Amino acid sequence: SSELTQDPAVSVALGQTVRITCQGDSFRRFYASWYRQKPGQAPGLVLYGINNRPSGIPDRFSGSRSGNTASLTITGAQAEDEADYYCNSRDISGTDLVFGGGTKLTVL
Amino acid sequence: QVQLQLSGPGLVKPSRTLSLTCAISGDSVSGDSATWNWIRQSPSRGLEWLGRTYYRSKWYSEYGGSVKSRVIINADTSKNQFSLHLNSVTPEDTAVYYCARGGYRDNSNWFDPWGQGTLVTVSS
Repeated sequence: SSELTQDPAVSVALGQTVRITCQGDSFRRFYASWYRQKPGQAPGLVLYGINNRPSGIPDRFSGSRSGNTASLTITGAQAEDEADYYCNSRDISGTDLVFGGGTKLTVL
Repeated sequence: QVQLQLSGPGLVKPSRTLSLTCAISGDSVSGDSATWNWIRQSPSRGLEWLGRTYYRSKWYSEYGGSVKSRVIINADTSKNQFSLHLNSVTPEDTAVYYCARGGYRDNSNWFDPWGQGTLVTVSS
């Protein structure tokens, strides 16, 4: 089982705000990176560190961290945001890189 | 723009060695800022980091705990590529395998870009 825990599924109405969370003790030391994966595609980086977005990722994607929880927030969700989202960080020992189990986001 | 092109067999027999190669364009495997990673994905295990290699005045390789005893990741600077070798495979190693460039900033690891992924099936 993963050391990073995500809700299996979340839904959001078009244009509304949704937060996807990832729980793990490693977040008391490290920040998360977040990946979006659409069917048949490789995952793609959407956010990392304090609040860094790769080029091409819109500013409606933002990140935060509180205690043992990292969050990815989408402000004004669009239909194209419908995908699986995965968090990543180190394990609590700091040696392994681990992923959460993924959250399936549905945009209604 | 960095691109990664993955190649290797799609079918491996049990107990044999799974070998995949990732060719890099737009960056250097021996650069001093990136790491070069292998990650796999299966319905039963989700996304699983297998390990990485990188150059910082000398070559380093680090491996994930789940495969540490069976895996070697190394680089070929003459071809600007890196490879995964996973031995003693079983059907549980059946997965989509990805290569990815890695980095570190703001106390966070990241992977970008990812190769296209290849399904490797372990079966006799």
